Formats: sequence, C-alpha cells, structure tokens
Amino acid sequence: GAVVSQHPSRVICKSGTSVKIECRSLDFQATTMFWYRQFPKQSLMLMATSNEGSKATYEQGVEKDKFLINHASLTLSTLTVTSAHPEDSSFYICSAPLPRGGKGNIQYFGAGTRLSVL
Amino acid sequence: KQEVTQIPAALSVPEGENLVLNCSFTDSAIYNLQWFRQDPGKGLTSLLLIQSSQREQTSGRLNASLDKSSGRSTLYIAASQPGDSATYLCAVRPSGSARQLTFGSGTQLTVLP
Repeated sequence: GAVVSQHPSRVICKSGTSVKIECRSLDFQATTMFWYRQFPKQSLMLMATSNEGSKATYEQGVEKDKFLINHASLTLSTLTVTSAHPEDSSFYICSAPLPRGGKGNIQYFGAGTRLSVL
Repeated sequence: KQEVTQIPAALSVPEGENLVLNCSFTDSAIYNLQWFRQDPGKGLTSLLLIQSSQREQTSGRLNASLDKSSGRSTLYIAASQPGDSATYLCAVRPSGSARQLTFGSGTQLTVLP
C-alpha cells in the first residue's frame, strides 16, 4: 500500500542550529504534502501546505522564514527549521493524499520526527 | 472555522468490552472524515475513512459512523484488546478543493488485561 516515509525520526540539536526533515511518498506521486506539528498532550495542528513546483502555503501564525518548505519533486518535501530554539521542540509529521482522489482521498502520514532543541 | 471535539479525552476499559468513541465537528461542509490511531511517540495509522455521502464504514472490529447533518461521528470498537490501547484521533477534510485535515484532540484509550 501507499507509504509515506519521514526522516529522521528523532533529532536533538543545540539552540541556533538548523534542522532538515524529509518526507517522501514511496509509491505514489504527491503534488501536495502537509506538515503538521503536535505539542505534548495536544492534537495535530496544520503548519503549512507544500506544493510541488510552487511556494508553500503557511497557516496563520507560522513563520515562513523560520520553517522553510521545499517541494522539489513529486515524491519529496522537506521542512527546515532554521535557527531552532527550545520552543520549537515538538513532534513534526507530514502527510500526503493519494492523487486524483485515490481511495477517497485518504491521507497517509509519515512516522513523525521528534525534535528536541537544547 | 472548523472545530473538532472528541469526547471523552481518556477512557479505560477492561479487555473484551465494546466501546464507543465520539467525535463532533462544527461545520457540516465536509468532504470526508478519517479516524486514526496514534501510539505514544509514533505517527498516525489510518483506520477508517468515511466519505460525506456515506453513513458508516467497517474494518474488522471497528465500525465508524457519520451523521454529517448533526456534525457527529462515532468509532465503535468491538471486543476490545490490550493492543487497542492508543490515542484515537478523528479528522475532517473540508468540502471543496482544500485537502488539509482538522484534527480533534483525541481520546486516549487504555484496555486493561
């Protein structure tokens, strides 16, 4: 079945460094991918919509210069957290819907990335 | 703005019991509703997806229903097992071209052996 791969699964970094998270659709093409963030004991909140070949669309309150999204191919979207700070520590997860309404537009999620900024 | 609420926030049941998880949403203009399972520190596993035109979907011991007009969905788990212990999330996709999901806060289920 359709699989979305997300890497790395866990990152621990120092404050001020940048962290790149990759999201790949393994057996289907994804013109759109979504990036969510989940703080402890809270639900997933949409951060941005990644669009292949064009600029990402960010949700209100999400800094586009801090969370850089690149969707360079039909199977890969990357999220870069620039100059990470402790308050950026969270669980980041990507998703991709099957194209052309496949399986009723079911969305497949990556396994998530746990980011801890010291 | 769509808001999704899940009740209860946490539930603990003995093994073998049948149980119902509830999800409500404020805007009935949805394209579909999806139920997910999330294990601690892990990603999401899709359980069931119900299109707005459907009333229910079944997969094994799971049955999800949808009443779009009243803004409600339920997830029924039959003969619960300790392995069912996880957080269950419901999410709605709006009607129209947008495909991002709005999630509820989840129900943390513990099935006691």
